[in-house]
Amino acid sequence: GAGVSQSPRYKVAKRGQDVALRCDPISGHVSLFWYQQALGQGPEFLTYFQNEAQLDKSGLPSDRFFAERPEGSVSTLKIQRTQQEDSAVYLCASSRELGSPLHFGNGTRLTVT
Amino acid sequence: GENVEQHPSTLSVQEGDSAVIKCTYSDSASNYFPWYKQELGKRPQLIIDIRSNVGEKKDQRIAVTLNKTAKHFSLHITETQPEDSAVYFCAASKQNFNKFYFGSGTKLNVKP
Repeated sequence: GAGVSQSPRYKVAKRGQDVALRCDPISGHVSLFWYQQALGQGPEFLTYFQNEAQLDKSGLPSDRFFAERPEGSVSTLKIQRTQQEDSAVYLCASSRELGSPLHFGNGTRLTVT
Repeated sequence: GENVEQHPSTLSVQEGDSAVIKCTYSDSASNYFPWYKQELGKRPQLIIDIRSNVGEKKDQRIAVTLNKTAKHFSLHITETQPEDSAVYFCAASKQNFNKFYFGSGTKLNVKP
């Protein structure tokens, strides 16, 4: 594709609901990253995949957060039992390989009410 | 882990003036420093990057300088234009490039 695609663009969830956020990286990009961006802040690292392998998940804030990339392309970030503090923009980024620049998607703005 | 600090948080300049944004990092092992521009509601876009084996890099009106000893790097925009108005983020990464640490952003406003 032309760029990294994320869906939905906006998501409103009631506290306690589960949500799933989708990321379609640029075709052929090996590395995929999820970042969380709170209002007025820089992106914060959540997790990283190389192909289908999740090599680093040290940034996931709790065990309610889960990410997968089963076939090494599309990735899903799942948040269970959402809390208000989960409200943020979730950015997905991909790169051709380690050491290549990151290409970001437009993000999913999650609002938990 | 790495800590990246960015200053100023907001910067207002007159069209045609220069703008400078500064970042410091804490981990001397960091060796890749990209800068991203994010317009309101849009994705961060890479505008320039520098690796630790060089001290300066230029691309038209944009330049980045790196001082490894002092662990700081700066973004310089010359002849600013209204379309330069956006939030700019610096970032730092180590050799394995699997984790980028971002600054808190600088909101640049270029007044026509």
